[in-house]
Amino acid sequence: ILNVEQSPQSLHVQEGDSTNFTCSFPSSNFYALHWYRWETAKSPEALFVMTLNGDEKKKGRISATLNTKEGYSYLYIKGSQPEDSATYLCAFIRGADKLIFGTGTRLQVFP
Amino acid sequence: NAGVTQTPKFQVLKTGQSMTLQCAQDMNHNSMYWYRQDPGMGLRLIYYSASEGTTDKGEVPNGYNVSRLNKREFSLRLESAAPSQTSVYFCASSESGVWSPLHFGNGTRLTVT
Repeated sequence: ILNVEQSPQSLHVQEGDSTNFTCSFPSSNFYALHWYRWETAKSPEALFVMTLNGDEKKKGRISATLNTKEGYSYLYIKGSQPEDSATYLCAFIRGADKLIFGTGTRLQVFP
Repeated sequence: NAGVTQTPKFQVLKTGQSMTLQCAQDMNHNSMYWYRQDPGMGLRLIYYSASEGTTDKGEVPNGYNVSRLNKREFSLRLESAAPSQTSVYFCASSESGVWSPLHFGNGTRLTVT
């Protein structure tokens, strides 16, 4: 894998469901991985910056894990709420100084 | 504390016209970035400035120039706008390069006709 890939592209869940999505990135020369939340008509907001293999980060109902050896990170949302509806972006560092973004997973949570 | 401020919010240009997008941050961040966002393409890095006095090309620098005027300000210039530069442009800053989270401005929607 040469760039960051996110799956699925979009996801529709019911309020209260838990959900997760994947970010895949090149496993060689890993530096760090970022997660952002991007609501419609707003600008992206940082969720996590992850650097260590096995890292787990949590912010409220949102958590993320990191596997640098196999090149993936999972983002989990527990008990999804309509206000969680957004596009979730991951980004990896290329060449130690460029942050390259994936195209995101668009989450819609229906009441 | 305004964070990252971009001006203008909207702009329409004709092919061949020039313009400068302004970006300023008040968080005393060292690094600043310009991204463009196109449907289905995600955010693509145009130029970045790791610290005051330095600028480097990103993924899609052709047709753009940048100036890191001081620690607060990082401008993006289109010398001769083309329809392919129709996009939403985001400025961002971070405390210490890509090891810190990026803080984004609200974006500039540019249309080139």
